Amino acid sequence: NAGVTQTPKFQVLKTGQSMTLQCAQDMNHEYMSWYRQDPGMGLRLIHYSVGAGITDQGEVPNGYNVSRSTTEDFPLRLLSAAPSQTSVYFCASSYSIVSGSSYNEQFFGPGTRLTVL
Amino acid sequence: AQKVTQAQTEISVVEKEDVTLDCVYETRDTTYYLFWYKQPPSGELVFLIRRNSFDEQNEISGRYSWNFQKSTSSFNFTITASQVVDSAVYFCALDHGSSNTGKLIFGQGTTLQVKP
Repeated sequence: NAGVTQTPKFQVLKTGQSMTLQCAQDMNHEYMSWYRQDPGMGLRLIHYSVGAGITDQGEVPNGYNVSRSTTEDFPLRLLSAAPSQTSVYFCASSYSIVSGSSYNEQFFGPGTRLTVL
Repeated sequence: AQKVTQAQTEISVVEKEDVTLDCVYETRDTTYYLFWYKQPPSGELVFLIRRNSFDEQNEISGRYSWNFQKSTSSFNFTITASQVVDSAVYFCALDHGSSNTGKLIFGQGTTLQVKP
């Protein structure tokens, strides 16, 4: 298993440009999510999905768009990049979060470092 | 509201010292889960431990131990006989499990530097 993969590893954008951060997992996980990490603020949830075709907003969704057409992929779209979106982005996945009395841990990808000039 | 506070921004110790990383959380839920993650200089997030709200037993794993106290809403992490490889940013996180959404709320992180 490759686990959770993210591409690209690094990206530099100009203000106003659009781009898609890719996230894929090969573990047949239902749950996927996107977080951003900023200095001194920990990680904050952007969007999440509990299964193909189902997405919902997290804590900081503005400026980001997601869709989940397959179980494996969960791309994050920046429609018009802004300097405030300069951050490190992490994708995570897991089986259904709670199964009976078990809680399934989330597996994080290696991250994408995005700079918006 | 759910919140996780890691008041220690940076800690510096000399190798072989013991160090405790503090984590205080806020939640109104009776069912919730607490986590610790390690982020080494390479940047990836490494899962260390999960604890649910109904299990207050402390846990020890090698040089790592965790002290969960519901009375003080704390979930502290101790590294015994620290090593240089322990240098990393450590995050405490909370999920109110009753929502079944996996929305993790992270603390601000504590940067631990272990000097040789």
